[in-house]
Amino acid sequence: TQLLEQSPQFLSIQEGENLTVYCNSSSVFSSLQWYRQEPGEGPVLLVTVVTGGEVKKLKRLTFQFGDARKDSSLHITAAQPGDTGLYLCAGEETGANNLFFGTGTRLTVIP
Amino acid sequence: SAVISQKPSRDICQRGTSLTIQCQVDSQVTMMFWYRQQPGQSLTLIATANQGSEATYESGFVIDKFPISRPNLTFSTLTVSNMSPEDSSIYLCSVEGQAQGTQYFGPGTRLLVL
Repeated sequence: TQLLEQSPQFLSIQEGENLTVYCNSSSVFSSLQWYRQEPGEGPVLLVTVVTGGEVKKLKRLTFQFGDARKDSSLHITAAQPGDTGLYLCAGEETGANNLFFGTGTRLTVIP
Repeated sequence: SAVISQKPSRDICQRGTSLTIQCQVDSQVTMMFWYRQQPGQSLTLIATANQGSEATYESGFVIDKFPISRPNLTFSTLTVSNMSPEDSSIYLCSVEGQAQGTQYFGPGTRLLVL
């Protein structure tokens, strides 16, 4: 079983602040996804990164895939209460069809 | 992205009983997945369900405890058998997306075993 460690595990910040969530592994992944899950819902896909060093932006969210494709980061600029949720990274192992999910980061943005 | 529904959305069950969870997709998909999410935790893959073949189970999960059906390309069921309080979790189904590595998830089934 692959292990994807996310840090921090919990994060509580004020509206307007910036934050970064990290997803680290010793394994190489062919792709990596970030999901957000809100209470009572299933995870919702935010982005997929496939190339080492790739950077993708989604409004105030910036995602980066590490050069070696072992790690990723999610940066949120000017966080809003609507960003509150559980953020999950998930890696796709080369040649496999299933995803290995990270340990999760629970974000609370206080108005 | 696919639209996925699950039934029931939640249930409270007595220990020793079994519950079958249904997952319906609005389009034909080759691969469907079943996950468990224990309270406050991340997702753990239970098994991969392909139409026309037996499900492939991950380490720590067995067919006798979690039998899965996949009768066609839009539907799957997961049964949680002989339940105990440790089976209290959210059970999620997902389907593969078109983009590499992506999956789309249903809303989940919240199970509480007393």
